[in-house]
Amino acid sequence: QVQLVESGGGVVPPGESLRLSCAASGLTFSKYGMHWVRHVPGKGLEWVAFIRYDGDKKYYSDSVKGRFIISRDNSNNTLFVQMSSLRPEDTAVYHCANGVRTYVGGGYYAEYFQHWGPGTLVTVS
Amino acid sequence: DIQMTQSPSTLSASVGDAVTITCRASQSVSSWLAWYQQKPGRAPKLLIYRASTLETGVPSRFSGSGSETEFTLTISNLQPDDFATYYCQQYNSYPYTFGQGAKLEIK
Repeated sequence: QVQLVESGGGVVPPGESLRLSCAASGLTFSKYGMHWVRHVPGKGLEWVAFIRYDGDKKYYSDSVKGRFIISRDNSNNTLFVQMSSLRPEDTAVYHCANGVRTYVGGGYYAEYFQHWGPGTLVTVS
Repeated sequence: DIQMTQSPSTLSASVGDAVTITCRASQSVSSWLAWYQQKPGRAPKLLIYRASTLETGVPSRFSGSGSETEFTLTISNLQPDDFATYYCQQYNSYPYTFGQGAKLEIK
């Protein structure tokens, strides 16, 4: 079955950096777009970043744009996010998820999140 | 950004009841809407995509409907395992956005 397992979380002071990983198994990783979604404790879910199946397209939420970089290694079935200039408001459980792509017309694809990892906690304090 | 608003934020029900959660989008998302279930400390689980398509393996007591800006998730014949928080999410356009969640509690 599909398994996504995040790692790399921890406690870091504001302004520092952290790199999260997501190891994927049970799916053809190179065929799926991948996403990072975070869950702020006591609050809801926030989509953070997307990388296309081939790594050639990336999108970010405004709250992390310019500070986070999403990347992937298809030869090792691993997704990454390099987080820098961390702020207390980045404190959250970070989940990775694979996207199922649907063509919606006009050259545009939409993706919903099919499988999620359990997450890794990042605390900025 | 497209804002997603769920109601109610909290609801109480008993095993065997039916409940409905509403999700409203600030602009049309066509049918590009998904519903997820999350339990504390666990990964979210996909229930429904494209507004009304049940994900494989999800019990048929879950159903979704709606389009454009108004959507509903209905759970019939509630089971003990269904008490959780439910989120809607639009994937019509980036940035993808979620509703604030609806916590389903046991009465």
